[in-house]
Order: sequence, then C-alpha cells, then structure tokens
Amino acid sequence: GNSVTQMEGPVTLSEEAFLTINCTYTATGYPSLFWYVQYPGEGLQLLLKATKADDKGSNKGFEATYRKETTSFHLEKGSVQVSDSAVYFCALALGAGGTSYGKLTFGQGTILTVHP
Amino acid sequence: EAGVVQSPRYKIIEKKQPVAFWCNPISGHNTLYWYLQNLGQGPELLIRYENEEAVDDSQLPKDRFSAERLKGVDSTLKIQPAELGDSAVYLCASSLDSRDLNEQFFGPGTRLTVL
Repeated sequence: GNSVTQMEGPVTLSEEAFLTINCTYTATGYPSLFWYVQYPGEGLQLLLKATKADDKGSNKGFEATYRKETTSFHLEKGSVQVSDSAVYFCALALGAGGTSYGKLTFGQGTILTVHP
Repeated sequence: EAGVVQSPRYKIIEKKQPVAFWCNPISGHNTLYWYLQNLGQGPELLIRYENEEAVDDSQLPKDRFSAERLKGVDSTLKIQPAELGDSAVYLCASSLDSRDLNEQFFGPGTRLTVL
C-alpha cells in the first residue's frame, strides 16, 4: 500500500535557525508529493508540491526536492521565523488510473515551534 | 473568495447519539472530500465525491457512517450511532476536480467529542 513517514516531533528551534523535516514514502506507481501546513486554529494549506522526480517545490522560503532514489521529500528552510510555528504534513497522491486517483495519503504530522 | 465552510466547529455528544456535519465547498469546485483526523495523526480519506457521485468511499465505515452531496454542492456527513472512538476532527476539502491532482482546499474542521 501507500504510506508516508515523517520524522518524529515536536521540533523546537530558535528564530533564524535552519529547519529540516524528513519525509519518506512508499507508493505503488509514481506519486506526486506535497507538504501541507496547519497553523493554529486554521485548516490545512498547501505549502508546496512536486509532481515528478528531481522536481523542487518551493514557497515562502521553504523547499523540498522529490528524490525518487531515496523515496524522500524532505522539507527545508534556511531561516525560520516565529510565524512558521505550525504542524507540517507530508503527503502523496497517485495519478490517473483508479478510484484512488487524487486521494491524499498523509504522514502523521510534525509540530514545529519557533522561539524568538 | 470564501474558503471551505464547515459547521459546527465543535460538537459534544453522548455515545449512541446521532451527529451530522455540514460542508460548503468553494464555489465551482466539483470534487469534495471528507477526511478523518485523529489526534496526533494525519488526515485519512473517508469519501470523495465527483459532483454528486461518491467515487471513492472504500474507507467509510458504512455500518454507522453515511454521506450525501445533493445537487453536487453542499455535503453532509452523518454518524449514527456515535461511538467513543469517533472522537476526532472531521475535515472537508474541495478541489476544482481531481484531474491533474488539483490543489485541495481544506476547511477548519469539526471537532467531535463523544462522551
């Protein structure tokens, strides 16, 4: 089956520190990969995505590269801010060809807290 | 543009009682999803609609859960009767359609507590 595994949290950093949240996946076929973010009291929002191997998704200073050889999609940011405190979810979705098309499979989420 | 609207935001009920959640997707979005999110876990898909048709309900516990999307717009998810283990956040999401893996937009969720 399809699954996503994220690094255990919570992650606590000081402002301007470097962030890495690891994500690995298993999938039948060639999935698209996503990072969603959930700020306190809000719904999940798409942060970035990559649809094929070696693609790099980026948004708001965050980046993640689709690594097929290591089945990974690690999230990175060079300098975090207090406003980045949230829960981050890695997810995959498969393409056309079955009833599961478009279904997002999520990791368990990683809580990030950034202190001033 | 209004986002995905869900109501109620919070619901507390006793076990064996029925409960219903309502979702209004973004205008023009043909695909609607209901997800279940347990504490400390990522969301899990319960059901996906393409317009008014349920095209993937394989994860919906059909003995107690039901859903409908009349007229292909608003949707209702019902649990009858509720059990203690149903305590979770129920998320609704919508997308233009499921072709090309269009972005899914999520509502704030309904937090259900079953006592």
